[in-house]
Amino acid sequence: GAGVSQTPSNKVTEKGKYVELRCDPISGHTALYWYRQSLGQGPEFLIYFQGTGAADDSGLPNDRFFAVRPEGSVSTLKIQRTERGDSAVYLCASSFQRGDGETQYFGPGTRLLVL
Amino acid sequence: GENVEQHPSTLSVQEGDSAVIKCTYSDSASNYFPWYKQELGKGPQLIIDIRSNVGEKKDQRIAVTLNKTAKHFSLHITETQPEDSAVYFCVGGSNYKLTFGKGTLLTVNP
Repeated sequence: GAGVSQTPSNKVTEKGKYVELRCDPISGHTALYWYRQSLGQGPEFLIYFQGTGAADDSGLPNDRFFAVRPEGSVSTLKIQRTERGDSAVYLCASSFQRGDGETQYFGPGTRLLVL
Repeated sequence: GENVEQHPSTLSVQEGDSAVIKCTYSDSASNYFPWYKQELGKGPQLIIDIRSNVGEKKDQRIAVTLNKTAKHFSLHITETQPEDSAVYFCVGGSNYKLTFGKGTLLTVNP
């Protein structure tokens, strides 16, 4: 079956602009996660959804970052007033059910470059 | 929170040799330790995982060991092949919030 998909694969924007990154999880997966991966580093947790609700958003760096999952499937990560430091690969992952010890399947990521 | 240290940061081996990557973690509550492989331009892919009630797990050429007392775990790849070249991440976690190490760039030379 299809894996996790993310669009766009690449996004170049200017400082101060607004961007939206989309994630389509594996069909039937109720848990969805967003991570951020800076160059040469491992992914860092941003937010976790169980169904439609954000169960843990403690990894979001500040209030410029927001994510939604209105119907419990597709999720959108929204970044307002982008800064050069936001440049990174944004990864989405999903798992079948509640996240504890469940295998997380990652998408290919969206490479965001803020000029 | 959890802190995962991984070494070496780079590892170069000849095809057919073994490769070992070692990690330590800080949170004694961590009970789930997956390993991910990431190829250039792709997302991380799970290759093997181990849970705290098991000391060792093997899957073909890949094996993982876990020492809960010492809080360290390791990945062993035997008979390495060029397609094993990638960045490998060890991960610690006790719930959904996975903590990744900084990664090991493995290069297998033909």
